[in-house]
Amino acid sequence: QSVLTQPPSVSAAPGQKVTISCSGSSSNIGNNYVSWYQQLPGTAPKLLIYDNNKRPSGIPDRFSGSKSGTSATLGITGLQTGDEADYYCGTWDSSLSARHVVFGGGTKLTVL
Amino acid sequence: QVTLKESGPVLVKPTETLTLTCTVSGFSLSNARMGVSWIRQPPGKALEWLAHIFSNDEKSYSTSLKSRLTISKDTSKSQVVLTMTNMDPVDTATYYCARMGGSGAPDAFDIWGQGTMVTVSS
Repeated sequence: QSVLTQPPSVSAAPGQKVTISCSGSSSNIGNNYVSWYQQLPGTAPKLLIYDNNKRPSGIPDRFSGSKSGTSATLGITGLQTGDEADYYCGTWDSSLSARHVVFGGGTKLTVL
Repeated sequence: QVTLKESGPVLVKPTETLTLTCTVSGFSLSNARMGVSWIRQPPGKALEWLAHIFSNDEKSYSTSLKSRLTISKDTSKSQVVLTMTNMDPVDTATYYCARMGGSGAPDAFDIWGQGTMVTVSS
């Protein structure tokens, strides 16, 4: 059971838009920056979004991030078949008197 | 070019201690605001964060695995080492090391290693 809650799967047609939610609490998302990672099959995760809504160099603006309260959202527009992957949110958590990193359970994106 | 590369045994026996090494290049482990984490992923399952070491040598551990983990670094060798005691078949996973704090992303893992698969079996 992951500390951050993501839908197990989402799907949409090529060219469409999809959003992936990440729900947490005040000890994690509510008071820390959220990052998002894309994991293509058989590869290591790749940073897509950091500080809630910033894109690293080289990440297209089709990918966006937002945060409100204790939830965060990843948006992907103009879906491409190459976007089929697992997506994870992550952040620091300050509960239990120690800081630790937590991830969501991952969301599998299918581009129909 | 910044890279991280994991190394260690492919197969360990139950109850043994696992030692993994992450060798970094393109940056220094003493750079302020930078740190390295170990993260694992059992086959077909989600990412699980294990431990983090900061540039000032401060360490953070997964609350559920803290008693079994030790993270350390050797700045002169550009290496971060993770030991995990009392290995069990449920610890079978791909183990990644990842950098936090680079590329202007203080709280995100901007560079990941390729991962190393560790199987626990007798």
